[in-house]
Amino acid sequence: NAGVTQTPKFQVLKTGQSMTLQCAQDMNHNSMYWYRQDPGMGLRLIYYSASEGTTDKGEVPNGYNVSRLNKREFSLRLESAAPSQTSVYFCASSAGTGNWGNQPQHFGDGTRLSIL
Amino acid sequence: SQQGEEDPQALSIQEGENATMNCSYKTSINNLQWYRQNSGRGLVHLILIRSNEREKHSGRLRVTLDTSKKSSSLLITASRAADTASYFCATAVSGNTPLVFGKGTRLSVIA
Repeated sequence: NAGVTQTPKFQVLKTGQSMTLQCAQDMNHNSMYWYRQDPGMGLRLIYYSASEGTTDKGEVPNGYNVSRLNKREFSLRLESAAPSQTSVYFCASSAGTGNWGNQPQHFGDGTRLSIL
Repeated sequence: SQQGEEDPQALSIQEGENATMNCSYKTSINNLQWYRQNSGRGLVHLILIRSNEREKHSGRLRVTLDTSKKSSSLLITASRAADTASYFCATAVSGNTPLVFGKGTRLSVIA
């Protein structure tokens, strides 16, 4: 089992460009999450999907969109990249439907995104 | 906004010593979780302690939870160089809201 797979691992964009970060999990988990990690800020939740077919905003959703393509895949899109979106992006998943917020999360190894 | 705050921000110890990290939080919780992050990698779940539990062990890890003080501690006994990582606490306020992570403690274990 690969767990949570994120692609790409690294990316450099110019301001204004768009791109989609991909995430897939093979653990049959119901819930998926996107975080950004900046120095000194810890992990901040961008968007999450508690179950297939639903998505909700997290703490820092501005400038991002998400798509829960199916149970396995959850993508994050930057429509018009800005330097403030330079960060490391992590995707995570967790099992269960009831009490989904209480479940341990499994993380991918991140996408390092630089926006010039 | 951060619910949990880890203390200290950074900790440096010698191999073989014990490492203690603390987490304080603001509101009532369903459970509290600890995660480890090695440099350049994603977070790895270590241990989950429920609000009705006071102490939990997993190998060299010991976690305590004091709901009256809204605080938790993670103790790593007999530290190894491989324990060098950042450690995060995360709190679950309810079953229908996502985890909220703290900013982490950077642990360096010197061989």
